[in-house]
Amino acid sequence: GQNIDQPTEMTATEGAIVQINCTYQTSGFNGLFWYQQHAGEAPTFLSYNVLDGLEEKGRFSSFLSRSKGYSYLLLKELQMKDSASYLCAVRDRGSGNTGKLIFGQGTTLQVKP
Amino acid sequence: DAGITQSPRHKVTETGTPVTLRCHQTENHRYMYWYRQDPGHGLRLIHYSYGVKDTDKGEVSDGYSVSRSKTEDFLLTLESATSSQTSVYFCAISTGGDRGDYEQYFGPGTRLTVT
Repeated sequence: GQNIDQPTEMTATEGAIVQINCTYQTSGFNGLFWYQQHAGEAPTFLSYNVLDGLEEKGRFSSFLSRSKGYSYLLLKELQMKDSASYLCAVRDRGSGNTGKLIFGQGTTLQVKP
Repeated sequence: DAGITQSPRHKVTETGTPVTLRCHQTENHRYMYWYRQDPGHGLRLIHYSYGVKDTDKGEVSDGYSVSRSKTEDFLLTLESATSSQTSVYFCAISTGGDRGDYEQYFGPGTRLTVT
């Protein structure tokens, strides 16, 4: 089966760095995505990893280790507007020709002054 | 925003009534998806489409049907709404790849309340 785990909530301070972890178990891994979702809004795409290593995009970076079934999203220089839920999603090769994603329950990040 | 709109944005309906939600895209993407989002469950796939008249079930398809008669429109129907279908419904498209391999972009969502 498929299982994705993320911490439910995290709190961090404005200007700091925070790391949000995601562990997954799938029958056939074919890519991992991170999304940001502000309260009452739609998820927005942040990053995509399919090979091991770090992908950097401005203040946000995402890391993947396929052998460990592990990813993290790193947010630097935290701003108040980064308070949101962060969703980890995995595409399973078993999903065939559909690009179906399996989502974790999300991590709610609260940034405090 | 990948040109995705959803209608209605909010709806309150009574148990047992039929409800249809519409997703409309303007960029001719092949793959479209319907999700529901509930506290404690995250986003769960209801149905998806990989072309006109080509649809398949997701993980929580019971009580829902879909149709796609045109590339730009993907309809989600609750034949007889139940209170357990109270949720926020998101439509998504995949931006490319023969297998919908690229990232998905989401519409603004529809908040449905079944009383």
